[in-house]
Amino acid sequence: AQSVTQLGSHVSVSEGALVLLRCNYSSSVPPYLFWYVQYPNQGLQLLLKYTSAATLVKGINGFEAEFKKSETSFHLTKPSAHMSDAAEYFCAVIPSGGGADGLTFGKGTHLIIQP
Amino acid sequence: NAGVTQTPKFRILKIGQSMTLQCTQDMNHNYMYWYRQDPGMGLKLIYYSVGAGITDKGEVPNGYNVSRSTTEDFPLRLELAAPSQTSVYFCASSYYGTGDGSGYTFGSGTRLTVV
Repeated sequence: AQSVTQLGSHVSVSEGALVLLRCNYSSSVPPYLFWYVQYPNQGLQLLLKYTSAATLVKGINGFEAEFKKSETSFHLTKPSAHMSDAAEYFCAVIPSGGGADGLTFGKGTHLIIQP
Repeated sequence: NAGVTQTPKFRILKIGQSMTLQCTQDMNHNYMYWYRQDPGMGLKLIYYSVGAGITDKGEVPNGYNVSRSTTEDFPLRLELAAPSQTSVYFCASSYYGTGDGSGYTFGSGTRLTVV
């Protein structure tokens, strides 16, 4: 069975600083990987995804993530944090080619932006 | 284009009452999912459906039932509400179980409190 682990339930950074949210996956073959963002009292919105093409993936709002097979990681980064980035972030995994029971989500990381 | 619509947005139930959470999508997606989200636990899959007339259990199905009579609708039924079912419920859909790497479209959620 596949799974994802998000290191750190809460991450706090200063406005303008680098954002790094960690995600490691467990899968026998390289899966598809996703990052979702959830703003307060809203549903989840797709930030970016890795589907076995380019290993460096760019998403919305200046976020990007790099798939590293050797490290089984898919960490999310943004060079300069903005107050509007404060939200909950979820990493999710599915076998490449899909699966009937869909995505498996990590427990989430709450990103706090300090002024 | 409405996407995935969930109703109601909020509900308070008494222990032992029943209710149906509604979910409708207008994207002609084959796959639909129900998740519950609890603080610090990420999203847990309750039930999923790969097409009209076909449903299957996810990770946490106890206390819930679903049906899928049409492609558009995927209601979630709580028969005997219990405090443990206090949660935020999300419905999601995808065209091909994310096998094409497209990810899910999420509804805005239903916040349920059982007292």
